[in-house]
Amino acid sequence: EPEVTQTPSHQVTQMGQEVILRCVPISNHLYFYWYRQILGQKVEFLVSFYNNEISEKSEIFDDQFSVERPDGSNFTLKIRSTKLEDSAMYFCASTERRDSPLHFGNGTRLTVT
Amino acid sequence: AQSVSQHNHHVILSEAASLELGCNYSYGGTVNLFWYVQYPGQHLQLLLKYFSGDPLVKGIKGFEAEFIKSKFSFNLRKPSVQWSDTAEYFCAVNAPGNTGKLIFGQGTTLQVKP
Repeated sequence: EPEVTQTPSHQVTQMGQEVILRCVPISNHLYFYWYRQILGQKVEFLVSFYNNEISEKSEIFDDQFSVERPDGSNFTLKIRSTKLEDSAMYFCASTERRDSPLHFGNGTRLTVT
Repeated sequence: AQSVSQHNHHVILSEAASLELGCNYSYGGTVNLFWYVQYPGQHLQLLLKYFSGDPLVKGIKGFEAEFIKSKFSFNLRKPSVQWSDTAEYFCAVNAPGNTGKLIFGQGTTLQVKP
């Protein structure tokens, strides 16, 4: 079964540094998402992406965050200047139709020190 | 705003016990409802979904859920749990016509003792 893959599985960075989290969605999917889960808290929506543009973003997704689909296969989340509170598990998801279940990757654990 | 509430944060059961995890959502319109499971060290996987039709939906691994519109609920059930059901369970909702994003509940950690 096709999978959503995310790299790296764990990223440690210092406060103020830029990080890029990478995702390869399932190939025929058209809708892409990033979620995050701070330890002990709920899974929170960050952003949705369709047709090469952001279709919706949450309040969390401020100017420090950006997403790209640079080459038709990868879907990246960039955090420009990381803060301690950005430490979380970040999940990428994709789906072929917006009313279909999402398929999630294994997540990237981001630790900001 | 849409929200999802899961009543049980941590449930401990013995093998063969019956399971019911509560989920309530706040949204007045038509919704699609989901239960996802996250086994230790793995990604979120779909257990079952409700879009329309029979309010009792069956999913993988013997799980089922019942949509009760009047109660805004979508509780997850399993008649007899196994040790391998130890995982975190998430209820989620999306509203048709939006961007397809899911709103998740807080999650319930299920620990099944052998």
